[in-house]
Amino acid sequence: EAEVAQSPRYKITEKSQAVAFWCDPISGHATLYWYRQILGQGPELLVQFQDESVVDDSQLPKDRFSAERLKGVDSTLKIQPAELGDSAMYLCASSLDRATETQYFGPGTRLLVL
Amino acid sequence: TQLLEQSPQFLSIQEGENLTVYCNSSSVFSSLQWYRQEPGEGPVLLVTVVTGGEVKKLKRLTFQFGDARKDSSLHITAAQPGDTGLYLCAGVGFQKLVFGTGTRLLVSP
Repeated sequence: EAEVAQSPRYKITEKSQAVAFWCDPISGHATLYWYRQILGQGPELLVQFQDESVVDDSQLPKDRFSAERLKGVDSTLKIQPAELGDSAMYLCASSLDRATETQYFGPGTRLLVL
Repeated sequence: TQLLEQSPQFLSIQEGENLTVYCNSSSVFSSLQWYRQEPGEGPVLLVTVVTGGEVKKLKRLTFQFGDARKDSSLHITAAQPGDTGLYLCAGVGFQKLVFGTGTRLLVSP
């Protein structure tokens, strides 16, 4: 069964350093999402791509966060510089298209900023 | 901003007990989803309810969508340790998901 892949699974960094997370969606899925989930809470959408274009980044802290999906397939989320409050799980999800309600989530990257 | 409040936030029960988790919002959603998430993993979709008043059953889990499509409930009968996890509701609207605050369930043997 096809799955959403994410790496790394865990990342420990010091504040002010740069970190990057990678996501490979299910093959053929045009829509890709990045979420941030604080421990014990629900995920919050950071950015949504349709193919290579950003369709929603209203909740992305653009002063330090950036995301790209250059070829419309895999995606990278970057934080620079990392802050203590960025410690969270970063989840990637994909769906066939924006109109499809079913999103498939990857295992996430757990980030700890010291 | 659409908000989905879940209650209770945390539930610790013994194996065999029944429980209900609630998901409430002031907004109307086109549909509502329930997910379960285990530690260190991403959420996994359990069910999608679409019609107001709809009831869906998935083995020991019963999901209900409110008549006004603003609220939902998840009822688990005879809970088992394997039901332990974080339960999340998510409202579907404007081509994106809005997740609830989450309910952490612990079922002890």
